[in-house]
Amino acid sequence: GQNIDQPTEMTATEGAIVQINCTYQTSGFNGLFWYQQHAGEAPTFLSYNVLDGLEEKGRFSSFLSRSKGYSYLLLKELQMKDSASYLCSAKWGRGDYKLSFGAGTTVTVRA
Amino acid sequence: EAQVTQNPRYLITVTGKKLTVTCSQNMNHEYMSWYRQDPGLGLRQIYYSMNVEVTDKGDVPEGYKVSRKEKRNFPLILESPSPNQTSLYFCASSPRRSNEKLFFGSGTQLSVL
Repeated sequence: GQNIDQPTEMTATEGAIVQINCTYQTSGFNGLFWYQQHAGEAPTFLSYNVLDGLEEKGRFSSFLSRSKGYSYLLLKELQMKDSASYLCSAKWGRGDYKLSFGAGTTVTVRA
Repeated sequence: EAQVTQNPRYLITVTGKKLTVTCSQNMNHEYMSWYRQDPGLGLRQIYYSMNVEVTDKGDVPEGYKVSRKEKRNFPLILESPSPNQTSLYFCASSPRRSNEKLFFGSGTQLSVL
């Protein structure tokens, strides 16, 4: 699959802001997803970006720069329940597309 | 309730004993896919299916088989499991429109001894 890079771990304090970066190969790129996965559970959808810019959904925002092959997920007003793994996922091509996932960033929120 | 149902949740088996992990979705989704998740490697796609009777290899298909005889079901078959197939497996589905998210099953933790 295509290579997707994101940091392995991040730690932040309750109420703070954390930004999780993700880089991917730009050739044939056709959309980027962010998923949240709590320990022992299935991933759940957070956001989707296909055009450049910032998408805001409550405390979570996702940004995309297609030309730079770069995205970030911004978590604001962190809560303890935000402690989870965050997965960056990209798809390439049209029609029969394949999806690739990054290894995930484990975010630990401390009181 | 709209969902992807995966069974079993946990499975311990021995090398060489054929097994099937079932996956069923009740959302009339066209796209279904299987992933395995290993520490440090993230989710890797095993097989995917764009519609009934249409399946394609993902990134790590060796040692696995799938079938898509009906739209709702997409079983994963391990004909002769080996210890390196010990992993957490997820089935997922999507309506196949370009911006549609994946809906994941609850996962199957497989241990091959």
